[in-house]
Amino acid sequence: QVELVESGGGGVQPGGSLRLSCAGSRISFGTFGIHWVRQAPGKGLEWVSFIRPEGTTLYHEDSVGGRFTVSRDNSKNTVYLQMNSLTDEDTAMYYCVKDNPVLEIWGQGTMVTVSS
Amino acid sequence: EIVMTQSPATLSLSPGERATLSCRASQRVCSTCLAWYQQKPGQAPRLLIYAASTRATGIPPRFSGSGSGTDFTLTISSLQSEDSAVYYCQHNEGWPWTFGQGTKVEI
Repeated sequence: QVELVESGGGGVQPGGSLRLSCAGSRISFGTFGIHWVRQAPGKGLEWVSFIRPEGTTLYHEDSVGGRFTVSRDNSKNTVYLQMNSLTDEDTAMYYCVKDNPVLEIWGQGTMVTVSS
Repeated sequence: EIVMTQSPATLSLSPGERATLSCRASQRVCSTCLAWYQQKPGQAPRLLIYAASTRATGIPPRFSGSGSGTDFTLTISSLQSEDSAVYYCQHNEGWPWTFGQGTKVEI
């Protein structure tokens, strides 16, 4: 089955930007959608965004609308999450997850820390 | 936005006991639109149950889901030590998808 590996996390100052990547292991990567779900330290899970196989996108508008952009390059088996205007409330582990149409297969996550 | 409320917050039981976890939605959720996830410390969540009552691949039969409308239940029939984890319910009845706050099961 497909494996997902996130990368690109790290420390960033408030107001800064970061781009996360989610790389998939299978040649059929372009046939399924990918979600981003985040988890603040010690907190629960929050759905962030979704990109369909053909590239249509959805966002949790209340949390990230207008600041985050998700895209994909199926030729590289990769989905990207561009995060701008980051605040300390964006500090979290970010998971990419295969859609089926539930949150079927999770990556191990990449940590984003927003701090001055 | 549909609000998912789980109870209890923490469940402390002994091996072999039965665990019953509840999840209530603020509005009706379709019967194919409710899932449960298990998260152990330091690990990513794992899909347990989808469509309210269907076990995901590789999930042992001691895990079962039930419910409809606004009230759903995850039952672990005979707890084993490896079941210590936080369990989350989640709906996919429209956007945004939302999760309950989790129930921590201590064994």
